[in-house]
Amino acid sequence: DVKVTQSSRYLVKRTGEKVFLECVQDMDHENMFWYRQDPGLGLRLIYFSYDVKMKEKGDIPEGYSVSREKKERFSLILESASTNQTSMYLCASSFPGQGYGYTFGSGTRLTVV
Amino acid sequence: AQSVSQHNHHVILSEAASLELGCNYSYGGTVNLFWYVQYPGQHLQLLLKYFSGDPLVKGIKGFEAEFIKSKFSFNLRKPSVQWSDTAEYFCAALWNSGYSTLTFGKGTMLLVSP
Repeated sequence: DVKVTQSSRYLVKRTGEKVFLECVQDMDHENMFWYRQDPGLGLRLIYFSYDVKMKEKGDIPEGYSVSREKKERFSLILESASTNQTSMYLCASSFPGQGYGYTFGSGTRLTVV
Repeated sequence: AQSVSQHNHHVILSEAASLELGCNYSYGGTVNLFWYVQYPGQHLQLLLKYFSGDPLVKGIKGFEAEFIKSKFSFNLRKPSVQWSDTAEYFCAALWNSGYSTLTFGKGTMLLVSP
């Protein structure tokens, strides 16, 4: 069964900490994505990557950065966590081209205190 | 900016009732459409998708959706819901333009009472 694995299911971090969220996929997908999910707002795209070492900003990149050193791994970085970054973070991957659905990980629920 | 809108944020139905969840997308050329479901505590799963061809698409668990190009709509339907259909449903669109990414609606929370 194909998988997108997010390293942590729950995280609690302090304001100002640097936070790393890790995502690994085993499907040899070129594209990888980070979304955040908030009640009443749906899923909003933070960053995506269509190849190793490539990254593109999504709709809400402020306060975040990403790293893609290997094809299978896509990391989301919160340089200095703030309480408004408390959210559910979802990683996804897909093949390039239109018409391919995304495969999602189980999500990381991050709480910043 | 391209967008997806879902008509209802919350829907409450009794078991065996029929379901229709509305979804509209903005114009942007050729579009691929998806419905995802998220059961409580679980990850997003693909229910069905439309690329081209027959505008009536059948998905898993008895769900179907109809693509109506003239109305920019892709409504999700199920003739008879079950308690196990309680979940949040997301409509999403992927436009055929450059590095287009999947744009989601805000979701509809469906509660089915037994």
